[in-house]
Amino acid sequence: DTGVSQDPRHKITKRGQNVTFRCDPISEHNRLYWYRQTLGQGPEFLTYFQNEAQLEKSRLLSDRFSAERPKGSFSTLEIQRTEQGDSAMYLCASMREWVNEQFFGPGTRLTVL
Amino acid sequence: SQQGEEDPQALSIQEGENATMNCSYKTSINNLQWYRQNSGRGLVHLILIRSNEREKHSGRLRVTLDTSKKSSSLLITASRAADTASYFCASVPDSNYQLIWGAGTKLIIKP
Repeated sequence: DTGVSQDPRHKITKRGQNVTFRCDPISEHNRLYWYRQTLGQGPEFLTYFQNEAQLEKSRLLSDRFSAERPKGSFSTLEIQRTEQGDSAMYLCASMREWVNEQFFGPGTRLTVL
Repeated sequence: SQQGEEDPQALSIQEGENATMNCSYKTSINNLQWYRQNSGRGLVHLILIRSNEREKHSGRLRVTLDTSKKSSSLLITASRAADTASYFCASVPDSNYQLIWGAGTKLIIKP
């Protein structure tokens, strides 16, 4: 257990539905990252926050994806109008700025039927 | 998008043997990190090597870095069944702190 938690661990949804995932980082970590990982691939960067500010978003992140970190602690990732291609593992990681190690949560596995 | 490449994609060895995985990257880096991912579990940081370092050890792990070739290797000595996992390298560019991941090497240790 790295200290980063994600909820839910698994989510099965029908195409077109909205889903929201939550990440609780290690409390003293000011940076929080979201990644997507598909089978046999490494993680793909989606977005990251420094405290409550969203500093960077990947071009991969379509308008259907939105992330928030309202109080600089937990973060949510919402996917609207899910598509089958959104099926993947969604990973959250946190770190302290200037400390070169990211701590990953166990991930949320999304299956879109 | 992923910029790193790793080889081999899969490696199967007998317990007790050494396992070597290689990673290449494209941009100038600040550091390079190796992570392990067990089936169904999250990624765990193993070791970090800075751009001005050539070799680093941590327990049974040995990492090398050749910035002229933009490559790194991870050696696991005296492998154990518990080392069965996927191993990823992640390079950190000079320009920003964003991990650029390879596709990983799937390592299987046969008892």
